[in-house]
Amino acid sequence: NAGVTQTPKFRVLKTGQSMTLLCAQDMNHEYMYWYRQDPGMGLRLIHYSVGEGTTAKGEVPDGYNVSRLKKQNFLLGLESAAPSQTSVYFCASSYSIDPGLADTDTQYFGPGTRLTVL
Amino acid sequence: AQTVTQSQPEMSVQEAETVTLSCTYDTSENNYYLFWYKQPPSRQMILVIRQEAYKQQNATENRFSVNFQKAAKSFSLKISDSQLGDTAMYFCAFMKHGLGIGGTYKYIFGTGTRLKVLA
Repeated sequence: NAGVTQTPKFRVLKTGQSMTLLCAQDMNHEYMYWYRQDPGMGLRLIHYSVGEGTTAKGEVPDGYNVSRLKKQNFLLGLESAAPSQTSVYFCASSYSIDPGLADTDTQYFGPGTRLTVL
Repeated sequence: AQTVTQSQPEMSVQEAETVTLSCTYDTSENNYYLFWYKQPPSRQMILVIRQEAYKQQNATENRFSVNFQKAAKSFSLKISDSQLGDTAMYFCAFMKHGLGIGGTYKYIFGTGTRLKVLA
């Protein structure tokens, strides 16, 4: 059981380049999330998905797009990278955020992707 | 809007001692969840403990316990018998989900407290 995995672990881009970060989970979780972590700012939610084929905006969605074509995968895309998108990106998943179910709102995180945009 | 504040950017504690990390939050919601996550140098985020706002009893997980004061909107983490492996960044987080799939989802993290356990 690998849990949540992220590909790649590191990436350097030039301004204007595009790339896709891949998140995969093998826990059959319904919900998946993308965060960015910047020094002194904690984690901020970019986009999330409550199921296959669905996506929703989080706190800082601008400049990013996401897709959830398969339940186990959640892709984060940068169409035209900017230096302000230099950050560490974390993917997470959870079974459900239904308050009626015990301990299903706990998020399980991937190891992160360090992205540098020059 | 919900906010989560961790007022201690860095703390240190001697091995085997007890340390308390503070967290306050601001919300008008009545039902929500609170979490403490640990991020060691490996960067992996690991859940330490969770608390449902509707429960009055403070959550406990082995050496980790919380002091949840709902009226004061305070959610501190106490680490007893500190170990070198507890050295990490600790994040406090607030979660609230609106009813139904179309409901607004909020998962707000604090800025973190860097804890160093000294030998």
